[in-house]
Amino acid sequence: QVQLVESGGGLVKPGGSLRLSCAASGFSFSDYYMSWIRQAPGKGLEWVSYIGSGGATIYYSDSVKGRFTISRDNAKNSLYLQMNSLRGEDTAVYYCVREVSGWNAHFDHWGQGTLVTVSS
Amino acid sequence: QSVLTQPPSASGTPGQRVTISCSGSTSNIGTNIVNWYQQFPGTAPKLLIYSNNQRPSGVPDRFSGSKSGTSASLAISGLQSEDEADYYCAAWDDSLNGPWVFGGGTKLTVL
Repeated sequence: QVQLVESGGGLVKPGGSLRLSCAASGFSFSDYYMSWIRQAPGKGLEWVSYIGSGGATIYYSDSVKGRFTISRDNAKNSLYLQMNSLRGEDTAVYYCVREVSGWNAHFDHWGQGTLVTVSS
Repeated sequence: QSVLTQPPSASGTPGQRVTISCSGSTSNIGTNIVNWYQQFPGTAPKLLIYSNNQRPSGVPDRFSGSKSGTSASLAISGLQSEDEADYYCAAWDDSLNGPWVFGGGTKLTVL
């Protein structure tokens, strides 16, 4: 079965950096687009970043553009999110999400999430 | 401020039919399909409806989705206590908002 397992979250000071990882299994990772979606405590869902199956197509939300970098290693079935210049408003649970791409695109599998807390 | 607008709360009694609305614009719902996600407290969201009205396997047919113009709706018939959760709509956005935008979420309470 499809499994997405995030890791790398934790407490970091404002201005600091953190790298999130997502280990994928149970499907052909290199065939799928992947996204990071976050949820601040008590708030709604916010799409953060998206990477195409081969890694060439990448998008970021305006709120993280220039600070976050998404990447993937298809040989290792892994997705990453390098987060720099972290701010308090980046505090959230970060979900690794598989996307079914195409005209009927949707997020069909979500990881359990990893909590990032930005605080001094 | 979410790009897609949902009511913050909705409620109903067991057996009732409840609808949750999701309002957008021509750059998102008006042009692209809508998906719905269900989230229970402390857990990851789960795909509930995709492509406006399609249910993934395992989702009861009590859940249905529809879209008209720049708005979409999620309907839950035969409401059950276990339906109490947060519900989010999402759509691809062709403008600078995108590519993916979500509604702010609706907390459904079963009275």
